[in-house]
Amino acid sequence: EAGVTQFPSHSVIEKGQTVTLRCDPISGHDNLYWYRRVMGKEIKFLLHFVKESKQDESGMPNNRFLAERTGGTYSTLKVQPAELEDSGVYFCASSRGLTGNYGYTFGSGTRLTVV
Amino acid sequence: ILNVEQSPQSLHVQEGDSTNFTCSFPSSNFYALHWYRWETAKSPEALFVMTLNGDEKKKGRISATLNTKEGYSYLYIKGSQPEDSATYLCACSNFGNEKLTFGTGTRLTIIP
Repeated sequence: EAGVTQFPSHSVIEKGQTVTLRCDPISGHDNLYWYRRVMGKEIKFLLHFVKESKQDESGMPNNRFLAERTGGTYSTLKVQPAELEDSGVYFCASSRGLTGNYGYTFGSGTRLTVV
Repeated sequence: ILNVEQSPQSLHVQEGDSTNFTCSFPSSNFYALHWYRWETAKSPEALFVMTLNGDEKKKGRISATLNTKEGYSYLYIKGSQPEDSATYLCACSNFGNEKLTFGTGTRLTIIP
């Protein structure tokens, strides 16, 4: 089966600009997650979709971040306007079911650099 | 707040030797523990999902144990090979919450 695909793999933008990250999960995986790793720190949760619904968005840093999941398929994460502290690697993951039964399948991440 | 700690932070092991490292987590309200293997610039790869106290899982030369009462898990690698070099991530979730909280990882380097 195809894996989780993230686009772009790298993005360098100026402070104040807008960036949109995309994630295509494994087909049939209802659960989709966004995580972020800031340099040298642990991977941190941003939000969780079940199909097209936001199940938990408690990790979203502020209202500059907007995530959507159109029709329960691919997802986008928009950062507008970007700030320097938004730099990091943004991971998307999908799973077939609950974390007690299934591991995540991760994408390879989008490395975002805000200058 | 769920706090997951991994030790050591980094480890150098001679090829052929066996090694192990630790993941600690709060035992109250524990639901699941995941281990991932991550090579930089690649996708983290799921190794194990564990939920039951005393659980042991094995995948080739890699195995893991879980103690939910005292809040720790060990990951063991037997007969280390250069391809085992990676960062090993531990992550936990609590009941009623599907999000994973990750530790900072153990960076393993195998010396040929």
